[in-house]
Amino acid sequence: SQQGEEDPQALSIQEGENATMNCSYKTSINNLQWYRQNSGRGLVHLILIRSNEREKHSGRLRVTLDTSKKSSSLLITASRAADTASYFCASKASGSARQLTFGSGTQLTVLP
Amino acid sequence: EAEVAQSPRYKITEKSQAVAFWCDPISGHATLYWYRQILGQGPELLVQFQDESVVDDSQLPKDRFSAERLKGVDSTLKIQPAELGDSAMYLCASSLHPGQGGFDEQYFGPGTRLTVT
Repeated sequence: SQQGEEDPQALSIQEGENATMNCSYKTSINNLQWYRQNSGRGLVHLILIRSNEREKHSGRLRVTLDTSKKSSSLLITASRAADTASYFCASKASGSARQLTFGSGTQLTVLP
Repeated sequence: EAEVAQSPRYKITEKSQAVAFWCDPISGHATLYWYRQILGQGPELLVQFQDESVVDDSQLPKDRFSAERLKGVDSTLKIQPAELGDSAMYLCASSLHPGQGGFDEQYFGPGTRLTVT
């Protein structure tokens, strides 16, 4: 079973616009990560935010974490057609030997 | 740049046949994972190895699935017999031992797309 859900399931925007994806999880976490997956390919790690952090930036990516609401968001600014992909959040539960539990993903389409 | 290697990339097999997937992690990565990803969903962990030892196989259907990492390097995932519901992408990933700096980032291979007919 999957740890959490992502919202929206699909998002379509114009190039240059910002894209925001949300993730909810169920248990206390050690950290939360975001991954990207191009169609038919493996996943690529984007960014990791620890449970004691509230916001993190990496290039055009901004991630926030609200542990009280068990939720995270990923913002991609100034989107490009090449950002078209599926985006997954993955959480590492506190005190668990298991590594990551992935959400269901958001399919982002950036129209040129 | 080092990558996780997987083969084959695509596999078509008939129901009740045996199928095997191979994964070679990034050199020096002690932890290896096998995931199954059904179309439209996120990856689900099947088995996690630390060196040659299994540390989590709670989601592995052990009646038909087996995994090994005999020398703590490359790994094989086997399904016997394959069922129609096994059609999915099988992803391998590796990471540094969490104790080595606490890195949790996982590096994924390109996956094996399995179709069972």
